[in-house]
Amino acid sequence: GQQLNQSPQSMFIQEGEDVSMNCTSSSIFNTWLWYKQDPGEGPVLLIALYKAGELTSNGRLTAQFGITRKDSFLNISASIPSDVGIYFCAGLQETSGSRLTFGEGTQLTVNP
Amino acid sequence: DADVTQTPRNRITKTGKRIMLECSQTKGHDRMYWYRQDPGLGLRLIYYSFDVKDINKGEISDGYSVSRQAQAKFSLSLESAIPNQTALYFCATSDPRISGANVLTFGAGSRLTVL
Repeated sequence: GQQLNQSPQSMFIQEGEDVSMNCTSSSIFNTWLWYKQDPGEGPVLLIALYKAGELTSNGRLTAQFGITRKDSFLNISASIPSDVGIYFCAGLQETSGSRLTFGEGTQLTVNP
Repeated sequence: DADVTQTPRNRITKTGKRIMLECSQTKGHDRMYWYRQDPGLGLRLIYYSFDVKDINKGEISDGYSVSRQAQAKFSLSLESAIPNQTALYFCATSDPRISGANVLTFGAGSRLTVL
């Protein structure tokens, strides 16, 4: 079953606000990925993290690989309407045979 | 054209029918996957294949089968569909030799409804 706990499950924000979401686990991961799924489409990779403590930005998005290797967060600054979608974290463990484990997703709604 | 193409995009069928979802890719990736998405449950792995002769069960393989016809093609079959298989299905590919890690590229999804 799922080993990643992603929160919050949903967020309703106003345009211009900052957003933060995170994934936690009781297990250690050696890669963290953040994906975004637009309505009617498949998930698309936003950011990949490969080292504990790593902080990576992609435009208005910033993600961090937790120092304990058991968590990761994604921040979106100055949200805009096209940020609407479902955001998934995914983690890769040494023992998983290269299979990713996905969080349950965060549904983001941005009101203009 | 999309790198990972899924057909059909939408399908409505009846309980007991056999259904095949097809996936083809132009990325040249060795690894292909089938996931299922249900609201609030994220993406769950059904089957995966690391090359043409390799097929592996994921976490929810019961009721499904797959065929890796070629490096570029990976199909998912429901031999006798049941209503709780109503979901959004995604095909994905990866190749750690190219991306440095198991980063997945997803298709646009196939929405299946079983009545």
